[in-house]
Amino acid sequence: GAVVSQHPSRVICKSGTSVKIECRSLDFQATTMFWYRQFPKQSLMLMATSNEGSKATYEQGVEKDKFLINHASLTLSTLTVTSAHPEDSSFYICSASRLAGGPSSTDTQYFGPGTRLTVL
Amino acid sequence: AQKITQTQPGMFVQEKEAVTLDCTYDTSDPSYGLFWYKQPSSGEMIFLIYQGSYDQQNATEGRYSLNFQKARKSANLVISASQLGDSAMYFCAMREVGGYSTLTFGKGTMLLVSP
Repeated sequence: GAVVSQHPSRVICKSGTSVKIECRSLDFQATTMFWYRQFPKQSLMLMATSNEGSKATYEQGVEKDKFLINHASLTLSTLTVTSAHPEDSSFYICSASRLAGGPSSTDTQYFGPGTRLTVL
Repeated sequence: AQKITQTQPGMFVQEKEAVTLDCTYDTSDPSYGLFWYKQPSSGEMIFLIYQGSYDQQNATEGRYSLNFQKARKSANLVISASQLGDSAMYFCAMREVGGYSTLTFGKGTMLLVSP
């Protein structure tokens, strides 16, 4: 159980185009999904948290108009990188949690396999 | 101040030996969770083990155990009987139970297992 998929696994695009990345929880309902970014040889940096049916909460320094997050259902969240530029090239990885965040939440986050984005 | 500190950028171990990966954390929240994830070169993050701050016993999952020393704020991962497939990046993470309970990751430790 607790399988999370991401699509696509790799994407190469031209500067100025938009790219959509899908994150799906395959065998459980994910009340909360998280989007991370990871540069080579660095740790994961949280970009935003989304709860189904509500607007995403973005971390400081993350442009919400550039990284559009939609948590349309309990099994699907999408990250759209709008007007991508070479500096947006990175490894994007999502995770999903069964429970809504909050003081009593102790649920594990299960991660997708990641999407490697290269912007030329 | 860093919330999660992993002081070992890289570790080497021989196959079949045990290895300890260090992790210290900083929080004023009395309720929190500690996690270890493995990231092989393929990039996926694999959940290994979880320790809650109120858990009385150290967590164990197969060859993985977590040496939880609450007073020292440390949560070291112990891998017993290392295997070649254990070669990967290992991340310690903490969730403070508040807000959306997001994870904060350490910088990671690269483990290389040699034959």
